[in-house]
Amino acid sequence: AQSVAQPEDQVNVAEGNPLTVKCTYSVSGNPYLFWYVQYPNRGLQFLLKYITGDNLVKGSYGFEAEFNKSQTSFHLKKPSALVSDSALYFCAVRDNQAGTALIFGKGTTLSVSS
Amino acid sequence: GAGVSQSPSNKVTEKGKDVELRCDPISGHTALYWYRQSLGQGLEFLIYFQGNSAPDKSGLPSDRFSAERTGGSVSTLTIQRTQQEDSAVYLCASSYSRTINYEQYFGPGTRLTVT
Repeated sequence: AQSVAQPEDQVNVAEGNPLTVKCTYSVSGNPYLFWYVQYPNRGLQFLLKYITGDNLVKGSYGFEAEFNKSQTSFHLKKPSALVSDSALYFCAVRDNQAGTALIFGKGTTLSVSS
Repeated sequence: GAGVSQSPSNKVTEKGKDVELRCDPISGHTALYWYRQSLGQGLEFLIYFQGNSAPDKSGLPSDRFSAERTGGSVSTLTIQRTQQEDSAVYLCASSYSRTINYEQYFGPGTRLTVT
């Protein structure tokens, strides 16, 4: 069965410092991986995706993520955090052999302090 | 351009009543999804429509839940005889195609509270 784990409920980082939000996955076929961000009382916004190709994927707002097949991970990163990055972040996976619905992690709250 | 819209934004209903939630996807998007976001539960897939194909209902939690999509565009999610455990934010998403590498675009959601 497909699954996504976000091991941290909350990540705290100071503005200007690098941030990492962790995600690991389990699928039976090739994974298709996504990161979404949710601001308070807003819907989810797409940040970036990995389908194939380069393991380092760059997305919106300066975020990037690295696909690591051996570790089955897709951690979200940003070199320098902004207070405005504070939000709820979701990792999601699709399995190319198991249909098209996204399987989401439970989310990680990122808090960036000034 | 216009994104995915959902209505109402908030709905409070009494236990046992039926509710209808509406989703208007992005124009030209053929795939439409419903998810439920509950506190502490993350996002849960409910149902998926692709064009005129039969919907994938594998995520619906009970037969009280149903959805339809008219004319390949607007979708309505209906919950009959609502229960308190149905309280959640219901999110609709659309994508250009069922092709798996297309990202889904989400609406703002409908917050349902069952009292």
